[in-house]
Parts: sequence; C-alpha cells; structure tokens
Amino acid sequence: EAEVAQSPRYKITEKSQAVAFWCDPISGHATLYWYRQILGQGPELLVQFQDESVVDDSQLPKDRFSAERLKGVDSTLKIQPAELGDSAMYLCASSGTGTLTYNEQFFGPGTRLTVL
Amino acid sequence: KNQVEQSPQSLIILEGKNCTLQCNYTVSPFSNLRWYKQDTGRGPVSLTIMTFSENTKSNGRYTATLDADTKQSSLHITASQLSDSASYICVVSERGSQGNLIFGKGTKLSVKP
Repeated sequence: EAEVAQSPRYKITEKSQAVAFWCDPISGHATLYWYRQILGQGPELLVQFQDESVVDDSQLPKDRFSAERLKGVDSTLKIQPAELGDSAMYLCASSGTGTLTYNEQFFGPGTRLTVL
Repeated sequence: KNQVEQSPQSLIILEGKNCTLQCNYTVSPFSNLRWYKQDTGRGPVSLTIMTFSENTKSNGRYTATLDADTKQSSLHITASQLSDSASYICVVSERGSQGNLIFGKGTKLSVKP
C-alpha cells in the first residue's frame, strides 16, 4: 500500500542550528501539506503545496522556516535557526485529485524534533 | 472563529468495554468531518469521513455519527482492544477551494487489560 515517507524519524539539535526534514508523498498526489504538532495538541498547518506552488503558508514563521517542492514531488522543510519552542512532531501529508468533498489527506509517520 | 472541541481530554477503559468520544464544532461552511486515530509517535490514520448528508459511518468496531444540525459528532468504539490505545482526533473540513482542515486536540484513550 502506498505511504507518505518522511525522514529522519527523529532529530535532536541544539538551538541556533539548522535542521531539514524531507517528505515523499504518495505517488501522483498533487497536494502536499506540512503540519506541526505540539505534544497534546492537534496538528497545525504550516504550508500547503499544489504541485510546486505554495497555496497557503500563512501560518509558516517565515523568518526562520522555509519549504520547497521544486519538482512538484518530494518536499523539504527547513528551520534556521532552530529555537527551543520548535520542539514538536512535524507531519507531512498528501492528497490526490479526488473530489473536494473527500479530499482525504494521508499522513506520514512524522519527524520528532527536539531542540536542546 | 472555526473551532473543533473534543471531550473527554483523556479516557481510561478496560479491555472489552465500549466507549464514546465526543466532538463539537463551529466550522462553517461545513464540508465533511473526519475521525483519525493517532498512535503515539506516529502520523494520524483516517478512520471515517462523513459529509453533511451522512449521519453514521462504520469502520469495523468504530462507528461515527454526525448531527449536522447541532454540529456534533461521536465516535463509538465497541469491544475495545489494547491496540485501540491511541489519540483520536476529530477534524472538520471547510467547504471551499482549499478545503482547510480544522483539527481538534484529540482524546487520549488508554485501554487497560
């Protein structure tokens, strides 16, 4: 069964360092999402791509976060510099071209980031 | 403001028992409501999706209900198993070109032997 792949699964870094997360969506899925999930909370959308274009990045802290999906397939989320408050689970999800009513998002396993 | 509220925040039940999780929302315009199961340290996995016209949907031992008039949903788990221990997240989708998802904070369910 097709799955969303993410790496690394775990990342420990010191504050002020740069970190990067990678996501490979389900083949053929045009829409890709990056979420941040703080422990005990629901996921919060950071950025949404439609193919290689950013559709929504209104909640992305652009002074330190950047995201790209250059060829409209896999994507990278970067944080530079990392801060203590960035410790969270970073989830990637993708969705296909079904009807908007059932625009189901499939989530990857996430990257657990710990900033020391 | 579009919000999704879940209750209880956490729940402990014995294996084999049934339980019901609640979700209230204020999202408008409404498109659909989803229940996700999230195991610790993993990404959410979809259990059910319901549109405005659907008031119940089952997936094995999981049965979701939707009352679009009162903007309430419930997830009923029958004959719980240890593997049901997880967080259950209610997610409501806004009707529109981007279909923004509004996530609840989840209910953490622990099933004890």
